[in-house]
Amino acid sequence: QVLVQESGPGLVKPSETLSLTCTVSDGFFTNYYWTWLRQPPGKGLEWIGYMYFSGSTNYNPSLKSRVTMSVDASKNQFSLKVRSVTAADTAVYYCASHRDRHPDAFNIWGQGTRVTVSS
Amino acid sequence: DIQMTQSPSSLSASLGDRVTITCQASQGISNYLNWYQQKPGKAPKLLIYDASNLETGVPPRFSGSGSGTDFTFTISSLQPDDIATYHCQQYGNVPVTFGGGTKVEIK
Repeated sequence: QVLVQESGPGLVKPSETLSLTCTVSDGFFTNYYWTWLRQPPGKGLEWIGYMYFSGSTNYNPSLKSRVTMSVDASKNQFSLKVRSVTAADTAVYYCASHRDRHPDAFNIWGQGTRVTVSS
Repeated sequence: DIQMTQSPSSLSASLGDRVTITCQASQGISNYLNWYQQKPGKAPKLLIYDASNLETGVPPRFSGSGSGTDFTFTISSLQPDDIATYHCQQYGNVPVTFGGGTKVEIK
């Protein structure tokens, strides 16, 4: 059973940095790509980017200037930072991965964490 | 970016009906197309990968087809548990992009 848990503050002020962490269970860290996605209220899904356990990354060009992903292998954790947030960054944020599939076929998902950008 | 045009945006059907959703890519993506089911307040669930392959554990009433720019997702006989929003997703090009979603309701 894969355990995936997103965590982070539910409320972030405009212009500040949104920081989230995805903790994954043993056995699903090494050799996996972990992807961050988000879904604004009532809207569709947006791919933010992925991080490989080795530390390599690939970001959505639309967010690349504001996004940083990092990994802490000692804790089986992947982190996402989005700088200079606005109301448009309000969304449910998911981390997702793949098992026995292409890295972009997401059959492992966290439950999602809701982030609201508001003063 | 590749735009994914999914239609319809919503539909209402009777139990037992055949339901079809289409997704059109703005450029060819071979078979790099997945379909997800999402229920309210839940994360999406992968149903179909690589356009036509049924994910493990997914009922065979779900199917997908297509290649290039035009793709179809079908529920052969709508069941109560199928009430959800369905999303297509391309991964032929970066960034990965999704269709706008189709909300399926019971008539």
